[in-house]
Amino acid sequence: NAGVTQTPKFQVLKTGQSMTLQCAQDMNHEYMSWYRQDPGMGLRLIHYSVGAGITDQGEVPNGYNVSRSTTEDFPLRLLSAAPSQTSVYFCASSYSVRVTQPQHFGDGTRLSIL
Amino acid sequence: AQKITQTQPGMFVQEKEAVTLDCTYDTSDPSYGLFWYKQPSSGEMIFLIYQGSYDQQNATEGRYSLNFQKARKSANLVISASQLGDSAMYFCAMREASLSTDKLIFGTGTRLQVFP
Repeated sequence: NAGVTQTPKFQVLKTGQSMTLQCAQDMNHEYMSWYRQDPGMGLRLIHYSVGAGITDQGEVPNGYNVSRSTTEDFPLRLLSAAPSQTSVYFCASSYSVRVTQPQHFGDGTRLSIL
Repeated sequence: AQKITQTQPGMFVQEKEAVTLDCTYDTSDPSYGLFWYKQPSSGEMIFLIYQGSYDQQNATEGRYSLNFQKARKSANLVISASQLGDSAMYFCAMREASLSTDKLIFGTGTRLQVFP
């Protein structure tokens, strides 16, 4: 019963490097999303997808790219890492476009940018 | 725009007592869902309870209940008979969804500490 799987769990990058955070779910959920969690600011939505081939921006999309080629996977790309992107990143999924559905979260990726 | 406000950065409660965590929200959409999540020190996000904007009764899940006052736009979480394992961050969140958008917006959280 894997649920939402995020890899890696920890990562340290240098400023300017690029990387991809992986997210996969095995629940056939149409909706997937990425959040970042910073101290004192709760979780903020970066990007989300309501289905394969469809993505949209959240509150804080700058510096991040996403794509959704399959229902299962929703990778988050950091184009040129900056210290301000040091954060804990969560991927979540749920059944699509229904306010009644809770989102299931992965365990998070702790990312540090030096 | 959507907004979730949690005004209590931290709360203390004695074991076996009840505690209320406050949450107010702002939205112009008549259809929305309100959620509470628990985040223990290990970091994972655990779904606790859900309340729909059209639900007539307050939601309950075991020791958790949601005090939903629609006119006041509040959705407070009540934890009865607190346990030491309830010590964690608690987040209130609101989901609005339509054909063109689907967003879950979080408050800044309340840190609950349960003492013996």
